Amino acid sequence: DIEMTQSPDSLAVSLGERATINCKSSQSVFDSSNNKNFLAWYQQKPGQPPKLLIYWASTRESGVPDRFSGSGSGTDFTLIISRLQAEDVAVYYCQQFFTTPMYTFGQGTKLEIK
Amino acid sequence: QVQLQESGPGLVKPSETLSLTCSVSGGSISNYYWSWIRQPAGKRLEWIGRIYSSGSTNYNPSFKSRVTMSVDTSKNQFSLKLISVTAADTAVYYCAKAGTAFDPWGQGTLVTVSS
Repeated sequence: DIEMTQSPDSLAVSLGERATINCKSSQSVFDSSNNKNFLAWYQQKPGQPPKLLIYWASTRESGVPDRFSGSGSGTDFTLIISRLQAEDVAVYYCQQFFTTPMYTFGQGTKLEIK
Repeated sequence: QVQLQESGPGLVKPSETLSLTCSVSGGSISNYYWSWIRQPAGKRLEWIGRIYSSGSTNYNPSFKSRVTMSVDTSKNQFSLKLISVTAADTAVYYCAKAGTAFDPWGQGTLVTVSS
């Protein structure tokens, strides 16, 4: 199985500042046949299900604000939330779908306001 | 847009069977993959398995032979059965549409395994 490890486990960022969350996979999730990274990011607010933010490592889901961006390739990925807003407080998860149908998630990163 | 809703008992006794149903509205269940995912309190999300509208299934090996999924296209529903449950199976169980990634998700249902 591909293991997904996020860092940090938690972070506190001031409103209007940038938040950076990292995700590392135990093996590459890049498919050279279609030049895509099989990596998604989710946001989970308390009492709610996860919400898809980004897939293919950098493609924003429809309706997701452009302050959310994803980058990276191979085994190292980053989710950046620029200009942090109060409603962005949540736990963020990365997930690989390279080994479909065996999907695995990171342990989550808790984002709070400083 | 497609919406999902889980239903089933919130309390299951140890060694018994956990049974949940996911009702899909706003779209057809046909020609898509559908998944079950769970989240124990304070732990990471864990994929349980997926089912195609034809009934073809794939399961997480971690659940070995304990899990069975089924689909009823006439009702636009799919289901999860997990046998021989223990306290470790206590979690919020989500159903989700499994496409490029998981989207959308149901609201989730808490299942507690306790006598």
